[in-house]
Amino acid sequence: DAGVTQSPTHLIKTRGQQVTLRCSPKSGHDTVSWYQQALGQGPQFIFQYYEEEERQRGNFPDRFSGHQYPNYSSELNVNALLLGDSALYLCASSGDNKETQYFGPGTRLLVL
Amino acid sequence: DAKTTQPPSMDCAEGRAANLPCNHSTISGNEYVYWYRQIHSQGPQYIIHGLKNNETNEMASLIITEDRKSSTLILPHATLRDTAVYYCIVSRTYAGNMLTFGGGTRLMVKP
Repeated sequence: DAGVTQSPTHLIKTRGQQVTLRCSPKSGHDTVSWYQQALGQGPQFIFQYYEEEERQRGNFPDRFSGHQYPNYSSELNVNALLLGDSALYLCASSGDNKETQYFGPGTRLLVL
Repeated sequence: DAKTTQPPSMDCAEGRAANLPCNHSTISGNEYVYWYRQIHSQGPQYIIHGLKNNETNEMASLIITEDRKSSTLILPHATLRDTAVYYCIVSRTYAGNMLTFGGGTRLMVKP
C-alpha cells in the first residue's frame, strides 16, 4: 500500500512564474491538506480539501490555490512566485477517522 | 488550538530511553496531543497521539499527566536513526482539523 506521494520532488522556478504541485493521498484517504515549510521552521498550514472543496484555509494569500479531483488527488497552485515562496511543500492525507494525518515526502521549490 | 512549549534541543545516548517533554497548559477537553517527528529533509512522520490515557505503540509511549497540561514522549531504546526534530501538537480531531507546528525539539542521539 503506497503512502502519500508527491510530484515533482524538486523544482526550480523564477520570480513571477506559476507552479503546480501534485499529491496523491494514501489509499482510502479522502482529505488532503497542504503545508509550507520554510528552511529551519515548522510546517505552516495552507489549506485543506475534502469532497473537492476547500474546507479550511490558513493565513496564505490568494496566490495560493488548490484543487481536489474525484479520485481524491490534489494540486497546489502558486501564482506570481516570490523569492519567499521557496520552501518544502508538504501534502498530508487523512481518512475516515480523521484522527491522524500522514505526510508525503514533500516537493522542494526554489524560486530564483 | 492550544499552544505547546518544548525544549529546543536534547541529547540522548544510543540505547537509552529518550524522554521528550511538552507543555500544553491551555489544552481544552476535546483536544488531543499528537507527536510527529521529522528526519532531515523528509516529511513529518506520525508517531502517536492520545486524549487523556497513556498510549503505547511500536514506536513510542505517550504519557499524559492527569490534568492534561503536559505530556512526555518516550522512545524506549533510542537509536541513531531516531535523530530528528520532534513536534508536539495539540489539535481537535474532526473533519476539518489542521496541525499547528511549533519549533519542536531537536533530538540528537549520540553513540
